[in-house]
Amino acid sequence: DVKVTQSSRYLVKRTGEKVFLECVQDMDHENMFWYRQDPGLGLRLIYFSYDVKMKEKGDIPEGYSVSREKKERFSLILESASTNQTSMYLCASSWVGRQGLRGYTFGSGTRLTVV
Amino acid sequence: QKEVEQNSGPLSVPEGAIASLNCTYSDRGSQSFFWYRQYSGKSPELIMSIYSNGDKEDGRFTAQLNKASQYVSLLIRDSQPSDSATYLCAVANAGGTSYGKLTFGQGTILTVHP
Repeated sequence: DVKVTQSSRYLVKRTGEKVFLECVQDMDHENMFWYRQDPGLGLRLIYFSYDVKMKEKGDIPEGYSVSREKKERFSLILESASTNQTSMYLCASSWVGRQGLRGYTFGSGTRLTVV
Repeated sequence: QKEVEQNSGPLSVPEGAIASLNCTYSDRGSQSFFWYRQYSGKSPELIMSIYSNGDKEDGRFTAQLNKASQYVSLLIRDSQPSDSATYLCAVANAGGTSYGKLTFGQGTILTVHP
């Protein structure tokens, strides 16, 4: 089974801190994604990456950046954490075969609280 | 119009009944369709994927896809209290520059009561 591992399950940070959320997948997937999930707003795509050193903005990239230096690792960076970034953060990875998207798997999530 | 819409919940069914969850999507180029189950405080877990028109069965779960009507559904037979969760419909168009992004519906909360 594909494994997507997020480094922290729970995280508490102070306003203004720089925060790194790490995600590692073990199945050589090309595509990796960062979402946040909030009650009533569903899953919202922050950034995604389709190759090493490549990144694309999702629907809500403001206040975030990403880094993908190796294929298996995709990091989400909160440049200066704010209380409105308190949320559940979910990483996912996928690959696309000839017949379409395959293997879209989520990590266990990081619940970030900014105080 | 939202890209992926699910029937509004919450949905409550008695134990042993069939739960029916529905989803419509707007992008006719969509090629891959998924149902995820998410328990409170947990991450989404893939339970069914379907790529061509018709029915796909896996245990108590059946996914149905009708591309002409842009409609995908999930039936849960013999519903159990452990099926109580939020069910997310997700759709992908893997062509072009979409890079296999999934578009999610808002989710339907299902409660199975004993």
